[in-house]
Amino acid sequence: DAKTTQPNSMESNEEEPVHLPCNHSTISGTDYIHWYRQLPSQGPEYVIHGLTSNVNNRMASLAIAEDRKSSTLILHRATLRDAAVYYCILRDLNNAGNMLTFGGGTRLMVKP
Amino acid sequence: EADIYQTPRYLVIGTGKKITLECSQTMGHDKMYWYQQDPGMELHLIHYSYGVNSTEKGDLSSESTVSRIRTEHFPLTLESARPSHTSQYLCASSEFRGGFNEKLFFGSGTQLSVL
Repeated sequence: DAKTTQPNSMESNEEEPVHLPCNHSTISGTDYIHWYRQLPSQGPEYVIHGLTSNVNNRMASLAIAEDRKSSTLILHRATLRDAAVYYCILRDLNNAGNMLTFGGGTRLMVKP
Repeated sequence: EADIYQTPRYLVIGTGKKITLECSQTMGHDKMYWYQQDPGMELHLIHYSYGVNSTEKGDLSSESTVSRIRTEHFPLTLESARPSHTSQYLCASSEFRGGFNEKLFFGSGTQLSVL
């Protein structure tokens, strides 16, 4: 299974944009890129996912490199409630189990 | 949005006790999962189910067992709890629609402490 690499932690100021990077150099053609986040004392929640094209939803934007070996989750205006651990995960449609494997993620700290 | 519930939220018990962690979802999802997470650490998949009467072991070996008698219910049982079982247990479900739009919905977790 393809693996992802993320920085352990990042800091941001409130009201500023945040770019969370993810490297997945061994990604295969059928791997979808998913992002989840885990707020303190909560279970993870879905943020966004994509395959090749950039994606936008009400929570965030996902920018995918042309070679798909990296992607960036963009929070347009960070708030204190965005402080969480953000997980970049690959799904493989060829995997019969189709399971999500969570890595260490990036702990985002937002300063007022 | 998420209609998946875990009880209890916190559980403190003594060594040797049998415990069952409850997980229920009202979304009609076929796939359900149990993850285990220690503080500040990664989530590890310990059990999953494709539907009624289906149970599989995950990536992380666990002494717990699960059952899936009803679609909405996926309880996890420890026959004899030990301090090494102290951890957070997270239940999740998903509606498999060919993998394109599949999202996991997580419960709030059960924090288990075994003394």
